Amino acid sequence: GAVVSQHPSRVICKSGTSVKIECRSLDFQATTMFWYRQFPKKSLMLMATSNEGSKATYEQGVEKDKFLINHASLTLSTLTVTSAHPEDSSFYICSARGDRGSGYEQYFGPGTRLTVT
Amino acid sequence: ELKVEQNPLFLSMQEGKNYTIYCNYSTTSDRLYWYRQDPGKSLESLFVLLSNGAVKQEGRLMASLDTKARLSTLHITAAVHDLSATYFCAVDFSGSARQLTFGSGTQLTVLP
Repeated sequence: GAVVSQHPSRVICKSGTSVKIECRSLDFQATTMFWYRQFPKKSLMLMATSNEGSKATYEQGVEKDKFLINHASLTLSTLTVTSAHPEDSSFYICSARGDRGSGYEQYFGPGTRLTVT
Repeated sequence: ELKVEQNPLFLSMQEGKNYTIYCNYSTTSDRLYWYRQDPGKSLESLFVLLSNGAVKQEGRLMASLDTKARLSTLHITAAVHDLSATYFCAVDFSGSARQLTFGSGTQLTVLP
């Protein structure tokens, strides 16, 4: 099956700093990638849809200036958490959308656990 | 409003028993996905259901989709401890964006 990687898997940063998370589709091209956030024992919350070569579409309530998304190529999307605060600590998961043949299945990365101190 | 409701939210069952997890959704869709998540891990795809009446089976798990009832079920047969995990259903309500709306998850614990 399709493989999606995320880097880093864990990151600890200080309040006020910025953190970049990378999401790569390793064996297929993904014109659309998604960024989710998951709190402990909760479901996934869609933050934004990332389209290659265009601006991301953010869900209601997600600050686009805080969570910067760039999808510069068909295999890479990045999420930058700017001026991080402890409340940004969470598990961030990306996914890449497969093609019609896959039923547009989303393939999920392994996640990035962000801790802001 | 686009809603996906799973029940139960928590399920403890004995090894060897059968049980069903239900996923109801609020409006028309013919694309539904089931995922498994282990603690501290990301999502693992279990089933992709793309049409009314679709039924898929993998090992002790079987998933079905009834688009008229807006209902999917995940049936567990003769549970074993290794099936302990959180199970999510997700529905594609969208058009071209193919966004998913997730249920709240069912935390399954299989007891010896």
